[in-house]
Amino acid sequence: GNSVTQMEGPVTLSEEAFLTINCTYTATGYPSLFWYVQYPGEGLQLLLKATKADDKGSNKGFEATYRKETTSFHLEKGSVQVSDSAVYFCALSNAGGTSYGKLTFGQGTILTVHP
Amino acid sequence: DAGVIQSPRHEVTEMGQEVTLRCKPISGHDYLFWYRQTMMRGLELLIYFNNNVPIDDSGMPEDRFSAKMPNASFSTLKIQPSEPRDSAVYFCASSSRATNEKLFFGSGTQLSVL
Repeated sequence: GNSVTQMEGPVTLSEEAFLTINCTYTATGYPSLFWYVQYPGEGLQLLLKATKADDKGSNKGFEATYRKETTSFHLEKGSVQVSDSAVYFCALSNAGGTSYGKLTFGQGTILTVHP
Repeated sequence: DAGVIQSPRHEVTEMGQEVTLRCKPISGHDYLFWYRQTMMRGLELLIYFNNNVPIDDSGMPEDRFSAKMPNASFSTLKIQPSEPRDSAVYFCASSSRATNEKLFFGSGTQLSVL
């Protein structure tokens, strides 16, 4: 079956530090990969996605590259801000047929950025 | 667009009581998902619907849980009887093929069963 493994958290950084959150996956076929972000008291929001190998998703300074050879989709940001403090979820989808839109999520990584 | 609307935002109840959570998906979306979030188990898919029909309910914990979608604009998740281990945040999300696998989440219902 499908599974997603994220690096253990929580992650605590100072403002302007470099961020990496590791994500690896197990899936059959060619899944789509996602990063979702959850701010305190809110639902999840899509941050970025990639649908095929070597694709790079990017949004709000965050980037992640779909690496099929290492089954990874690590999230990076060059300079974090206090407003980036949130929980980040890696997810995958094996679209097709009646499974369309059904996501498998990682356990989430809590990020706290201090001024 | 108002987004996915869930109610209530918070629910506190006693063990053994019936709990009903409600969700209004985004108009035009034909997929609806119910997720449960806990510290121990993370984000779990409970059930999802396509065109109001349940497609996969393999994540529903046990017979105490049931979900319905009587029409395209409304869904309920019911727990009867509730137990303390059901305490969690329950999220509803919707999507369509036009959203290209992007899920739109509601703000969630924080359920506490005492």
